[in-house]
Amino acid sequence: GQNIDQPTEMTATEGAIVQINCTYQTSGFNGLFWYQQHAGEAPTFLSYNVLDGLEEKGRFSSFLSRSKGYSYLLLKELQMKDSASYLCAVMDSNYQLIWGAGTKLIIKP
Amino acid sequence: ETGVTQTPRHLVMGMTNKKSLKCEQHLGHNAMYWYKQSAKKPLELMFVYNFKEQTENNSVPSRFSPECPNSSHLFLHLHTLQPEDSALYLCASSPQDRQGAGEQYFGPGTRLTVT
Repeated sequence: GQNIDQPTEMTATEGAIVQINCTYQTSGFNGLFWYQQHAGEAPTFLSYNVLDGLEEKGRFSSFLSRSKGYSYLLLKELQMKDSASYLCAVMDSNYQLIWGAGTKLIIKP
Repeated sequence: ETGVTQTPRHLVMGMTNKKSLKCEQHLGHNAMYWYKQSAKKPLELMFVYNFKEQTENNSVPSRFSPECPNSSHLFLHLHTLQPEDSALYLCASSPQDRQGAGEQYFGPGTRLTVT
């Protein structure tokens, strides 16, 4: 079966760095996506990886290793507004997004 | 502003009621999606429409009936729902399906409670 695993919850301190991991097992691979979802709001697209390596976008970076079925989202200089759930999703061979359950990130002052 | 709107934002309905959820996208996209989001569970894809044609139906019970009259509007008709159908229903759009389906734009969702 298809499976996306990510931690349920993480806590970090304002100004620090946090890494949210995602491992996946899917039938085929057409890219990995990270979304941010604030409580009570819609998910919003953050990043896309299809080749191995690191993609940097401001304070956020996303890494992919296809051979290991592994990705992480790195958030630097954490701000209180970064408190949200972070969703990992993989596009399978049928071009469908397979979603993880999300990681709730709590930022403390 | 994501360009995708949903109404109503909240809905409480009894198991014998019939109601409809509406989604409208102002982004000029060709693909639209219905998802169900339950607490601490992954997003569940329900239906996909591409150029008004349904391309995916992920074994959704017939008490959920989608309608896509044009590329900008998507409806989800509900009837004789069960309490376990209570969830957040999200609509999303993307420029196209298949390769272009990864970057999706979501509406704010309808919080549905079935009593």
